[in-house]
Amino acid sequence: EADIYQTPRYLVIGTGKKITLECSQTMGHDKMYWYQQDPGMELHLIHYSYGVNSTEKGDLSSESTVSRIRTEHFPLTLESARPSHTSQYLCASSDSEGGRTEAFFGQGTRLTVV
Amino acid sequence: GQQLNQSPQSMFIQEGEDVSMNCTSSSIFNTWLWYKQDPGEGPVLLIALYKAGELTSNGRLTAQFGITRKDSFLNISASIPSDVGIYFCAGQGFGTDSNYQLIWGAGTKLIIKP
Repeated sequence: EADIYQTPRYLVIGTGKKITLECSQTMGHDKMYWYQQDPGMELHLIHYSYGVNSTEKGDLSSESTVSRIRTEHFPLTLESARPSHTSQYLCASSDSEGGRTEAFFGQGTRLTVV
Repeated sequence: GQQLNQSPQSMFIQEGEDVSMNCTSSSIFNTWLWYKQDPGEGPVLLIALYKAGELTSNGRLTAQFGITRKDSFLNISASIPSDVGIYFCAGQGFGTDSNYQLIWGAGTKLIIKP
């Protein structure tokens, strides 16, 4: 079983508020990812990190930012939430040791901006 | 860039039927992964494939890495109600731009007819 945790599971927040979505993994994985997914739709990579102090933007442009100060922690921040940010946000991690690329996902945070 | 086509988009099946879905890519992949996502949850890894021609089973699920390295299929035998969900394929190609990043299919939604 993967040990990757996201909080909160659900968040309803007003426009203009600053929010941080938390993601932690206890597997010691060097790589972590944030995906954005609308219900029943495909996953879009918005941020990834290959290790501490390494962050890159993904294929889908996002106004969110991320940080990777510790291996196990990869929070995502929205400085000013808007209704267009309403979506499900999924955090994942993977371990590149041995050439494997299997990503393990958290349960997701469903964000609603009103 | 690399593209991945997953089909069918959705399937309506009777309980007990066998199910087959597939993914094809525009370029060679060195890894194929199959995930299942239940509503409101993160994707869960079902099967990982790393060698061309590899055929791997996980209970009633069987997946194969195509010989051409450009396709993979997933079969589910004797479907049951808990098989309902969205199945995603994901692959990783070659080259520095694709290092550790997965390309995702759009998903196959499995629905069991009442």
